[in-house]
Amino acid sequence: DIVVTQSPDSLAVSLGERATINCKSSQSVFFSSNNKNYLAWYQQKPGQPPKLLIYWASTRESGVPDRFSGSGSGTDFTLTISSLQAEDVAVYYCQQYYSTPPYSFGQGTKLEIK
Amino acid sequence: QVQLMESGGGVVQPGGSLRLSCAASGFTFSNYAMHWVRQAPGKGLEWVAVIEYDGSKTYYADSVKGRFTISRDNSKNTLYLQMNSLRAEDTALYYCAKVRGVQQISYYFDYWGLGDLLTVSS
Repeated sequence: DIVVTQSPDSLAVSLGERATINCKSSQSVFFSSNNKNYLAWYQQKPGQPPKLLIYWASTRESGVPDRFSGSGSGTDFTLTISSLQAEDVAVYYCQQYYSTPPYSFGQGTKLEIK
Repeated sequence: QVQLMESGGGVVQPGGSLRLSCAASGFTFSNYAMHWVRQAPGKGLEWVAVIEYDGSKTYYADSVKGRFTISRDNSKNTLYLQMNSLRAEDTALYYCAKVRGVQQISYYFDYWGLGDLLTVSS
């Protein structure tokens, strides 16, 4: 089974500054036949279900602000928020959905305002 | 618009059983694989189970294998999770989630329900 590990567990960033969250999978989630990385990012605010932000590692979901971006390939991925806004305070999860289940989530990264 | 609504949660004693339901609307339910994901109080997300669009295949997390059964009724647009031999560590908010890819299992989750709480306690 693929294990997904995020870093850091928590992060405090000043408004307007860049926030970077890392995600590492225990094996590659890149599928060469379609050139896609099977990695998604979700945002969860208190009392709400997770919300899809990024899929295929770098494709932004419709309606997600362009300050959110995803990058990486194979086993190492990054979610970047280019200019942190107050409404971005949340817990962020990465998830791999490669091949057959289980489709594991990272442990989550709590993002706060410094 | 897509809506997923979980129901059936509550308080159950250890060793007991419960069935969760997820009523789906706003999309062609029979075309999409569906998942259950849970979140223990104050903890992260844990993937639980998935069922193929036609119910032909199911997969489970090791933590629930042999105790939980995922199923669906495409005529009723409803997903189920039968939970037996419940343990305190099964206490969590249970979400159902839809995948984006038509008749695909290996896809990200584009819609989630609001969740339903299961508490296992004596």
